[in-house]
Amino acid sequence: AQKITQTQPGMFVQEKEAVTLDCTYDTSDPSYGLFWYKQPSSGEMIFLIYQGSYDQQNATEGRYSLNFQKARKSANLVISASQLGDSAMYFCAMRENFGNEKLTFGTGTRLTIIP
Amino acid sequence: NAGVTQTPKFQVLKTGQSMTLQCAQDMNHNSMYWYRQDPGMGLRLIYYSASEGTTDKGEVPNGYNVSRLNKREFSLRLESAAPSQTSVYFCASRRQGLTKNIQYFGAGTRLSVL
Repeated sequence: AQKITQTQPGMFVQEKEAVTLDCTYDTSDPSYGLFWYKQPSSGEMIFLIYQGSYDQQNATEGRYSLNFQKARKSANLVISASQLGDSAMYFCAMRENFGNEKLTFGTGTRLTIIP
Repeated sequence: NAGVTQTPKFQVLKTGQSMTLQCAQDMNHNSMYWYRQDPGMGLRLIYYSASEGTTDKGEVPNGYNVSRLNKREFSLRLESAAPSQTSVYFCASRRQGLTKNIQYFGAGTRLSVL
């Protein structure tokens, strides 16, 4: 079974609109961390936001927020007021057990912002 | 403010050739990683090193070897390259001891094996 599922291969969003990128995960470990990374066309992987399984509040980092619904095992990334520079691939990733070295990635969502 | 540096950025090999991908980090991180990225498959872990002198296999280790030369450097070697190893390779590092445990990535090496 897939541990991280990103069901949206591609999305087109009008500039200045908010966008939600979906991510569901599968784990039986009570301790885990969820990450979102951005990969622009230049290729580098840029860390955006982190949510721990015990965190009481949804994580926020500037225009990025994480809609964490633990019971549904979803960790959707919300980008507010989208900009042309937000056009990129976005990857959701999970680390099971806080001491685990391994990060498991989803297949990504390609986001295109339309002017 | 270099972070994680990978060399080379691009490489073309013929089947059977060998090469080493270099990675260095200047953040004093304990753990280092090598991933490959193939279209439609996200990133998959090849090998990792939790500390200097230790290495462990990840999800797709076959055809690769690694060396943790010191705390800063972690190299990935392809002894006999195959077309199936055409991919983009990423090195990453993180500092242990933190719950957040963010992995920071290099810019990647695009490898083509003909």
